[in-house]
Amino acid sequence: DQQVKQNSPSLSVQEGRISILNCDYTNSMFDYFLWYKKYPAEGPTFLISISSIKDKNEDGRFTVFLNKSAKHLSLHIVPSQPGDSAVYFCAASSLLSGTYKYIFGTGTRLKVLA
Amino acid sequence: DTAVSQTPKYLVTQMGNDKSIKCEQNLGHDTMYWYKQDSKKFLKIMFSYNNKELIINETVPNRFSPKSPDKAHLNLHINSLELGDSAVYFCASSPGWGENYGYTFGSGTRLTVV
Repeated sequence: DQQVKQNSPSLSVQEGRISILNCDYTNSMFDYFLWYKKYPAEGPTFLISISSIKDKNEDGRFTVFLNKSAKHLSLHIVPSQPGDSAVYFCAASSLLSGTYKYIFGTGTRLKVLA
Repeated sequence: DTAVSQTPKYLVTQMGNDKSIKCEQNLGHDTMYWYKQDSKKFLKIMFSYNNKELIINETVPNRFSPKSPDKAHLNLHINSLELGDSAVYFCASSPGWGENYGYTFGSGTRLTVV
């Protein structure tokens, strides 16, 4: 049972436009969410996070939005750059469960076209 | 200096062999993890150690045995390798247990069992 889902395996966006990557989760106990970026042959690198007490967190070109009622989060990249081409993973965790382990989605491959 | 380093990067071995993957972090983190990325790119936690103590042990075959000689190292030993063990294995670390920091991942070890 996949508790964190990224239903779009791939996404292509023109350089300079907005990239929107989506992530859905089923466990209402999740209260902390992260996005990771992964280049080929490298490990995932932490990008941005959001706590469930917020609905938006911004860091430069990257903004994460959280809609708790819909159990949905999204990562917006504006403007998109060719160097953003990578696989993006969302991950969720629950402080209340006490385990602090992250459940990852399967990833979305973003391709930014020059 | 690489923050989280895994060796080897690639490992091709025959069924039935025993192999080890090593992981070292120089970040001074207290907590280390092993994740398995399957063929569908799903990242699943296998083990977690905090200050050399095992705190997460997900349902994995007991052919997999982690060893943490000190908090900077977390090795993964696999006995009697099977075809289904072929995957990319990621080591990761975080500053502490129970803290929602983003993880730092190693670049992965691609294990191929033939």
